[in-house]
Amino acid sequence: EDKVVQSPLSLVVHEGDTVTLNCSYEVTNFRSLLWYKQEKKAPTFLFMLTSSGIEKKSGRLSSILDKKELFSILNITATQTGDSAVYLCAVERAGGTSYGKLTFGQGTILTVHP
Amino acid sequence: DTGVSQDPRHKITKRGQNVTFRCDPISEHNRLYWYRQTLGQGPEFLTYFQNEAQLEKSRLLSDRFSAERPKGSFSTLEIQRTEQGDSAMYLCASSLSSGFYTGELFFGEGSRLTVL
Repeated sequence: EDKVVQSPLSLVVHEGDTVTLNCSYEVTNFRSLLWYKQEKKAPTFLFMLTSSGIEKKSGRLSSILDKKELFSILNITATQTGDSAVYLCAVERAGGTSYGKLTFGQGTILTVHP
Repeated sequence: DTGVSQDPRHKITKRGQNVTFRCDPISEHNRLYWYRQTLGQGPEFLTYFQNEAQLEKSRLLSDRFSAERPKGSFSTLEIQRTEQGDSAMYLCASSLSSGFYTGELFFGEGSRLTVL
């Protein structure tokens, strides 16, 4: 069975802090690792990572994958209260029609105080 | 709004009753997914469709659960003889097909089921 473990499970910071969220995984026939943000109900897509060492960046968010150590991190710099959410990490197998069939971790609950 | 829509948003039922959820995906997406999420956990894969064909159903899913996508557009998820353990948020998502897939699943806001 594929497995995704995220840490920490929760994190409380103040605006302006930088945070690092961790994701380790085990998956048969790896295709990609994905990060999603869930604020209220619907998760929204952040990044898809397929290659080691290549940083994906979007504004204050960035992520990188280490396929040797089976690990990814999500960094958020200069946090804002609007970054408060659950951050979900997921993995996806390669092969055939299996894209979109994701195994999610438990999530990291990030709370940013003003 | 042209996002993924789900109905009803909240359903309260008594144990043993049947419930049905509906999902309308983004119109040009031919992939449709059902996930289930319980409090404090990440979403868990249930099943998915390519057009009207159901590709896979999770082994964790009992035969009380059935899903259809009859014309390759909207989908329904039915739970028969509900149990308290079925209480969860049922999330539907859609995506583009393989040649255009970017990793992005577009999720609806979910249908919350409470079984009393």
